[in-house]
Parts: sequence; structure tokens; C-alpha cells
Amino acid sequence: AQSVTQLGSHVSVSEGALVLLRCNYSSSVPPYLFWYVQYPNQGLQLLLKYTSAATLVKGINGFEAEFKKSETSFHLTKPSAHMSDAAEYFCAVGSAGKSTFGDGTTLTVKP
Amino acid sequence: NAGVTQTPKFRVLKTGQSMTLLCAQDMNHEYMYWYRQDPGMGLRLIHYSVGEGTTAKGEVPDGYNVSRLKKQNFLLGLESAAPSQTSVYFCASSTKLPSRERANEQFFGPGTRLTVL
Repeated sequence: AQSVTQLGSHVSVSEGALVLLRCNYSSSVPPYLFWYVQYPNQGLQLLLKYTSAATLVKGINGFEAEFKKSETSFHLTKPSAHMSDAAEYFCAVGSAGKSTFGDGTTLTVKP
Repeated sequence: NAGVTQTPKFRVLKTGQSMTLLCAQDMNHEYMYWYRQDPGMGLRLIHYSVGEGTTAKGEVPDGYNVSRLKKQNFLLGLESAAPSQTSVYFCASSTKLPSRERANEQFFGPGTRLTVL
């Protein structure tokens, strides 16, 4: 069975600092991996996805993630945090027509 | 395109009442999903559908029923609501991939906030 683990339910950074949100996955087949963002009182929207092409994936709003098979990781990064990045972030692995989501990481950005 | 829409946005029920949540998508997606989101528990899959007329159980199906009579609509029913079903419900849809081993990204609706008293 596929699963994802997001390390850290809450991450706090200062505006302009590096954002690093961690995700480790478990999959019996080469996975499709996703990062989604959820702003308050909204649905989830896709930030980026990995589909076995390039290991470094660029997404919207300056985010990127690197697929590391040896570490079974797909961490999300952004070089410089902006106040508007404050949200909840979900990592997900897709298989057999469904996705399994992590428990989410709430990102707080301090001025 | 409206994408994925959900009706209603908010609802308050008394224990034992029934209701139906409607999800509609205009992207011609084959797959549709219903999730519930509770604090600290991420998204949990209730039921899903891989095509018109087909449904399957997800992780937490008890107390819910679904129907997909039309490709664009996916209904979630609560026959006898319980306080444990107080949650935010999200519908999502996605395209079908050639590889059955994998899954594509999902497009989410804005959610329905349900409170059961």
C-alpha cells in the first residue's frame, strides 16, 4: 500500500527565509507524487507534481520539490518565504486511480 | 469553466436527519472522489468513482452512501446523521491515466462545512 508521511505538523519561518516542508513516501511502484496547498476556507490546489520525468520539479508561486528515490523523499522548498505562503500544505502519492494524502503541514510566515 | 462545484456550502443538521451533498464537475473527468477533512487528520477518502454508474469504498465509508448516475455529478448521502460526521467535506475529480497503477492530480471543490448537532 502507498503512504506518505509529512514530518512536522507546523513549520514557522520568517519572511524571506527558506521554506522546507518534508515528505517521505512509501510505494510499491514508481510513484506519482504531488504537493497541494490549501488556503483558509478553500479547497486544495495543486502546487506541483512528479511523474517520473525530471527529478527536480518546479511548481507555482516559486515552489519546487526534488524526488530522491534513495531517500524515498519529496521535500518541498522555496528560497524566500512570502507572507502569502502561509497555508496548509499536503503531500500525496497517487496510485490505482486514487491519492493518499499526508496529514498536512501548516506553514506560518512571520514578518 | 466552473471546475468542481459543491452544494451546499454550509449545513447544520440534527442527529438522525438525512441530507445529500452534490458535487458537479465540468471538465469531463472520469474519476470523482469524496473526502472528509478533520483537524489534524488530513484528508480521508470516503467513497470514489472511476466512471459513470460505478462507485467504490474508500478509507471511511461507514454512514455514507454515494451515487454517480451522470458522469459530471457525484452525490454523497448521509442517511442518519451523527455528531461524528461533523466535518468539512471535499469533492474532487481527476482524469484517467493509461497506467492503472498510478493516479493523476485531483481538482478540488471549495468544500461543504457540515455540523451535526
